[in-house]
Amino acid sequence: GAVVSQHPSRVICKSGTSVKIECRSLDFQATTMFWYRQFPKQSLMLMATSNEGSKATYEQGVEKDKFLINHASLTLSTLTVTSAHPEDSSFYICSVLDRGGQPQHFGDGTRLSIL
Amino acid sequence: AQTVTQSQPEMSVQEAETVTLSCTYDTSESNYYLFWYKQPPSRQMILVIRQEAYKQQNATENRFSVNFQKAAKSFSLKISDSQLGDTAMYFCAFMKQRGGGADGLTFGKGTHLIIQP
Repeated sequence: GAVVSQHPSRVICKSGTSVKIECRSLDFQATTMFWYRQFPKQSLMLMATSNEGSKATYEQGVEKDKFLINHASLTLSTLTVTSAHPEDSSFYICSVLDRGGQPQHFGDGTRLSIL
Repeated sequence: AQTVTQSQPEMSVQEAETVTLSCTYDTSESNYYLFWYKQPPSRQMILVIRQEAYKQQNATENRFSVNFQKAAKSFSLKISDSQLGDTAMYFCAFMKQRGGGADGLTFGKGTHLIIQP
């Protein structure tokens, strides 16, 4: 069965709105989750590391004020794309580390389209 | 920082043939993991196989096996008896190992594998 649940799977919204994406670890508690972005026909790029109870760690070039990450519990991390614009349209996917520390289990992803 | 290179953007083989996907990486780390992930059109990320860098023995999972050459920083994936369901994007990925935590994955650009009937 699924280890990670990601919701919603698809979002279409107008420019300027904020969008929240949830990532839930179903099988175990996860102190660390990761958020990736994948543009069409490209690879996955790590955006940030979500740490339970502390601030997220962002990769170089990722705006932390634009992509807000909250990891308030051991089973839930959220990514909020604030004031989204068409260039934010992408496939966002989260992952959770296995109990042993690897490998990473991925959610099914969220396709975000900003009109 | 580490980099992962997949030099084959697309490959096509006949069903039942064997195919090898190449991957090279660059890192100064001594402890790390390597993975191959499959991404079908549904875009779900599926773990195919993993290799711990400290293990000399090549990992195998049924029809999938790797050729891990640590000195050459090479990590190729061999798919035997290829099946139509193997058609997908395949990503090679690197993860640094560190005590007390973990890092995200660094992915290659991917290889689009097409299995022809």
